[in-house]
Amino acid sequence: AQSVTQLGSHVSVSEGALVLLRCNYSSSVPPYLFWYVQYPNQGLQLLLKYTSAATLVKGINGFEAEFKKSETSFHLTKPSAHMSDAAEYFCAVSGNAGNNRKLIWGLGTSLAVNP
Amino acid sequence: EAGVTQFPSHSVIEKGQTVTLRCDPISGHDNLYWYRRVMGKEIKFLLHFVKESKQDESGMPNNRFLAERTGGTYSTLKVQPAELEDSGVYFCASSKEIGDYGYTFGSGTRLTVV
Repeated sequence: AQSVTQLGSHVSVSEGALVLLRCNYSSSVPPYLFWYVQYPNQGLQLLLKYTSAATLVKGINGFEAEFKKSETSFHLTKPSAHMSDAAEYFCAVSGNAGNNRKLIWGLGTSLAVNP
Repeated sequence: EAGVTQFPSHSVIEKGQTVTLRCDPISGHDNLYWYRRVMGKEIKFLLHFVKESKQDESGMPNNRFLAERTGGTYSTLKVQPAELEDSGVYFCASSKEIGDYGYTFGSGTRLTVV
C-alpha cells in the first residue's frame, strides 16, 4: 500500500524567501515520486519526478526535490520565491508496475507569496 | 500540440440526474486516466484506459459511474444517477507510454450536485 502526507495545508512566504514544501510517503514497493502544481483555473502540471535515477531532481521554474529513502521524504524547495509561484502543490507516489502505476496523492499545500 | 481537453468545465445538476463528462486526450496518447478530487480530500484515481481497454478500474466508486473509451480516442465518464457526494473536480490525463508518468492533465470538470 502507498500513501502520501503533505505537512501544512497552507504555507506563506515572502517574495525572495526560501520555499519548502514537505512531503513524506509510505510505499511497500520502490516508489516513484512526483510534485505537481495547479495554478488557479488551470490543470495539474508536472513540476518534477523521481523515478529511481538521481536522488536530487530538478524541475521547472527553479524547483527541486530530494529523495531521501531513510527519511521517506521528498520535500520540494525553491531558493527564492516569486509571486508567480502562488499555487497549490501536490505530492504523489506510485509504483512502477501493474496496478501500482496509479498516482496516490497528498492533500495538497496551498502556497501564498507575499510581496 | 493540443493539450488534454475536458468539457464541460463546470456542471451543476440536481441529485438523481445524469451527467456525462468528456475527455479528449492528446492525439496518439494510448493511456488515459480519470482522477477525482472531492472538496477537502485528496485527489483519487478512478480508472486507467489503454486504448479502448480498461487497464485498471479499481478506483471507480460504485456502479453509478460508467467510463467508456470507444475507438481508443476520447473518453466519457457518466454518472447516473448523481448523488451529492459525487460533487468534486474530475481530472483527465493522458500519456503516450504506459510507463510515462509525466501525464498531461486537463483543466478538469467541476461537478456540483445539488
